[in-house]
Amino acid sequence: ETGVTQSPTHLIKTRGQQVTLRCSSQSGHNTVSWYQQALGQGPQFIFQYYREEENGRGNFPPRFSGLQFPNYSSELNVNALELDDSALYLCASSATGSGGYTFGSGTRLTVV
Amino acid sequence: DAKTTQPPSMDCAEGRAANLPCNHSTISGNEYVYWYRQIHSQGPQYIIHGLKNNETNEMASLIITEDRKSSTLILPHATLRDTAVYYCIVSYLAGGTSYGKLTFGQGTILTVHP
Repeated sequence: ETGVTQSPTHLIKTRGQQVTLRCSSQSGHNTVSWYQQALGQGPQFIFQYYREEENGRGNFPPRFSGLQFPNYSSELNVNALELDDSALYLCASSATGSGGYTFGSGTRLTVV
Repeated sequence: DAKTTQPPSMDCAEGRAANLPCNHSTISGNEYVYWYRQIHSQGPQYIIHGLKNNETNEMASLIITEDRKSSTLILPHATLRDTAVYYCIVSYLAGGTSYGKLTFGQGTILTVHP
């Protein structure tokens, strides 16, 4: 197993810009979820993809979107960045019925 | 989503067992109890999960009450590296179409002392 890899590890963007965060999951992990973690808070669910289709979404606006690819990689895109989007973004993947999710170390996004 | 209640913080001496409680009185019949932990500045780490039977793995043991309204995570011999925020989460089985989103609360900050 190679774990879950996220890139970049840190990123600084300007308000109003767009950002793409990337995640590479373990082979065979057909489910990927993205979470946002503000400082001092627990992670908040953004959305989940299963076999390249979104099958669940948390309370986040449409400017948060994602993609999942056949090679077990995925992307989180955020448009029109706001200051409150500053957070740690976590990717988590799982194989069907395997039990728990494997999380990456996250991307720290700072919006200025 | 079923909610969980955990104490905000706990202390434990190194080498002793750490017993972390969790209440989940609104858990539904096919929801599992999951435990994750998060060490500062890292992503959460899966520890263990269970439906109704007690479970044990190389990291910890999970004790679920018969009525499934509460559970206890046991770290049998805590070390300094076990200092972390521990999250008790009720969710459907991860992966696939079951939509096993994780709802993280504030968790329990476990501090292991020398």
